[in-house]
Amino acid sequence: NAGVTQTPKFQVLKTGQSMTLQCAQDMNHEYMSWYRQDPGMGLRLIHYSVGAGITDQGEVPNGYNVSRSTTEDFPLRLLSAAPSQTSVYFCASSYSTIQPNEKLFFGSGTQLSVL
Amino acid sequence: AQSVTQLDSQVPVFEEAPVELRCNYSSSVSVYLFWYVQYPNQGLQLLLKYLSGSTLVKGINGFEAEFNKSQTSFHLRKPSVHISDTAEYFCAVSDSGDDKIIFGKGTRLHILP
Repeated sequence: NAGVTQTPKFQVLKTGQSMTLQCAQDMNHEYMSWYRQDPGMGLRLIHYSVGAGITDQGEVPNGYNVSRSTTEDFPLRLLSAAPSQTSVYFCASSYSTIQPNEKLFFGSGTQLSVL
Repeated sequence: AQSVTQLDSQVPVFEEAPVELRCNYSSSVSVYLFWYVQYPNQGLQLLLKYLSGSTLVKGINGFEAEFNKSQTSFHLRKPSVHISDTAEYFCAVSDSGDDKIIFGKGTRLHILP
């Protein structure tokens, strides 16, 4: 099992460019989520999904779009990148959406710089 | 909305000394609590979790945490730290019935030789 795979590992964008951060898991997990990690801010939830076709907003959703067409994939789209989106992005998944939450499995992160 | 406060951004401690990392959450009827660890240049991994039952929870690598409902706290402890415990530690909370898991700002644990 590869677990949670994020691509790319590093990315540099210019302001206004668009891009998609990829996240895939091979554990048949229903729950997937995106966090951003900034110094002194911890991890903040961007969007999450409880299953294919179902997504919802987290704490900081502005500037990001998501979709969940399959159980395995949960891409994060930046439509018009801004310097404030410079961050490390983590994708995480867990088996069950039924409370209590199972543990989250994290990817290795994508380091994004927006110039 | 649920929130988590980690009172210390950095904690220095000598090797083989005990450590406590503090975590408080905003009050709720029923919550689930977690501690995750992030080693340098890696993703996060679960240390331990409290879902229900005994308020003392034991996790991996000799860590334990105690759930205190009256103080809305979930402090992490280890009786004797090792250099390999150098990492950032995150407390997280989820309200019962809510699919969101909210993280604190993290505490960097520095082990001094």
